[in-house]
Amino acid sequence: AQSVTQLGSHVSVSEGALVLLRCNYSSSVPPYLFWYVQYPNQGLQLLLKYTSAATLVKGINGFEAEFKKSETSFHLTKPSAHMSDAAEYFCAVSEDDMRFGAGTRLTVKP
Amino acid sequence: EAQVTQNPRYLITVTGKKLTVTCSQNMNHEYMSWYRQDPGLGLRQIYYSMNVEVTDKGDVPEGYKVSRKEKRNFPLILESPSPNQTSLYFCASSFRGGWETQYFGPGTRLLVL
Repeated sequence: AQSVTQLGSHVSVSEGALVLLRCNYSSSVPPYLFWYVQYPNQGLQLLLKYTSAATLVKGINGFEAEFKKSETSFHLTKPSAHMSDAAEYFCAVSEDDMRFGAGTRLTVKP
Repeated sequence: EAQVTQNPRYLITVTGKKLTVTCSQNMNHEYMSWYRQDPGLGLRQIYYSMNVEVTDKGDVPEGYKVSRKEKRNFPLILESPSPNQTSLYFCASSFRGGWETQYFGPGTRLLVL
């Protein structure tokens, strides 16, 4: 059965520092992988998705993620954090339906 | 504007008092789904619908009902709410299936006393 594990429920970085949010997946077939972001008091919106084309996927707001099959990982990165990046981030995997991770709350310190 | 709407956004109720949370999408999507979000658990699927009159259970369906009489609407019904259903609820839709990009509503925060 498909599943995702997000390592770290809370991540704190300084403004301008690298953002790295970790996601490992379990899937019996090549999966579709997603990162969603949830800003306070809002629903989830898509950041980026992997659908077996390029392994490095670029998303909105300067985020990107790299699919590594050998490591079953799909970590999310951004070179330089902004205060506006503070939010909760969810990794998700889909085969026949979508399964979400528990989420990682990102805090950005001035 | 393409969107998923939910009503109400906030609801306080008492144990046993039936309630309905509405969900509507204007994107002509076939697939619609309900999730609940609880701290530390992420999103868990309650029910989903592949098309009109086609619904199926997700991971946590107990205590909930749904219906899909029209393509655009997918209401969530709590026949007899209990305090353990206090949660943040999201409706989502996608064009054809759960494996595709899903578009989420703004959420409904429910408190059951």
